[in-house]
Amino acid sequence: ETGVTQSPTHLIKTRGQQVTLRCSSQSGHNTVSWYQQALGQGPQFIFQYYREEENGRGNFPPRFSGLQFPNYSSELNVNALELDDSALYLCASSRDRANEKLFFGSGTQLSVL
Amino acid sequence: QQQVKQSPQSLIVQKGGISIINCAYENTAFDYFPWYQQFPGKGPALLIAIRPDVSEKKEGRFTISFNKSAKQFSLHIMDSQPGDSATYFCAARDSGSARQLTFGSGTQLTVLP
Repeated sequence: ETGVTQSPTHLIKTRGQQVTLRCSSQSGHNTVSWYQQALGQGPQFIFQYYREEENGRGNFPPRFSGLQFPNYSSELNVNALELDDSALYLCASSRDRANEKLFFGSGTQLSVL
Repeated sequence: QQQVKQSPQSLIVQKGGISIINCAYENTAFDYFPWYQQFPGKGPALLIAIRPDVSEKKEGRFTISFNKSAKQFSLHIMDSQPGDSATYFCAARDSGSARQLTFGSGTQLTVLP
């Protein structure tokens, strides 16, 4: 059973650019959530996808968008990058929407210069 | 709005001692309370969790105590070991459609040998 994998592990962008982060869910999981973790803080919920539909969103602007594919892998897209977007982006998958057991990937560390 | 408040921010314990981390929440719509452990360079991993109809749950050296009326819960790590040195996050799950987790700000635990 493979775990949650994220790519790339590190990324450097400049302000105003766009970025796409990718996530492969754990086998058998149909729900994917994305979290932003700023340095020294807890993860903050961005949004969640269940069977290719967004079914929940945190307090993030529309320039944060996502996709879930038929194989339950997922992408997080961020447009018009701002300096404050620099953070660790975590993908988590779960067997269902109950989210009682989230399995997190190791994250993508995004630096915006 | 910080809905889950966690303390202390950092904790240093001698090997064999008891580590105690506390969390308080505001939102009565939370219905599930997990604790996650995060090592440097890794994503958070589920450690133990409790439902609000239970006052205590124990798994090995880890115990959650839950006080529903006070809206507080805590993690106790008995016989703390150097390998327990990590950042610990409490979280609370919303009972709404997305069932997203709201995390505390984290406690960096150091267990001295």
